Amino acid sequence: QKEVEQNSGPLSVPEGAIASLNCTYSDRGSQSFFWYRQYSGKSPELIMFIYSNGDKEDGRFTAQLNKASQYVSLLIRDSQPSDSATYLCAVKKGSYIPTFGRGTSLIVHP
Amino acid sequence: KAGVTQTPRYLIKTRGQQVTLSCSPISGHRSVSWYQQTPGQGLQFLFEYFSETQRNKGNFPGRFSGRQFSNSRSEMNVSTLELGDSALYLCASSLIQFADDTEAFFGQGTRLTVV
Repeated sequence: QKEVEQNSGPLSVPEGAIASLNCTYSDRGSQSFFWYRQYSGKSPELIMFIYSNGDKEDGRFTAQLNKASQYVSLLIRDSQPSDSATYLCAVKKGSYIPTFGRGTSLIVHP
Repeated sequence: KAGVTQTPRYLIKTRGQQVTLSCSPISGHRSVSWYQQTPGQGLQFLFEYFSETQRNKGNFPGRFSGRQFSNSRSEMNVSTLELGDSALYLCASSLIQFADDTEAFFGQGTRLTVV
């Protein structure tokens, strides 16, 4: 079983809707959680990171962490076609290198 | 401020050959991490170098090796190439060790195709 699981998608949402991307992890000791966005043919870029249970908002993006249920999610409000990309979840424990999920493909259609 | 530079961008090699990929981190960054990305396995960690020392290593065979120079530039070498080594190889640069809570910046990657 892979340590970090994401639905590969594609997740298709209409423009202006809320896109919800989910990620589950197996190691209860995980402490840091990251969301990266990767456009086709491009390199991943960090969108957000979260360490504490609850919500963290940054513009149209909200990361939600629930350590008891071992999941982290990313909400994108007012989705735009330019948000169409693959979203990678990364989980880190202590000083260990982050483990990445395989990513969820998001398509925002006009 | 220049970003992370990886060269070459594209490479086609034959099975059995070896290849060397290069990564120049952002100026001032001392940590370079290497990842292999494939559609089936996603982003998998190869190794991390910090101040010319390998600090972390992923679960890859010994055919994969790397090094870091005093100017923080890093090279990755793959010997005896196999078809399964075809992938996008990404390097990530960070100010200090990636394992700490610092942001890592990825290069554009090198697309390696083994035929």
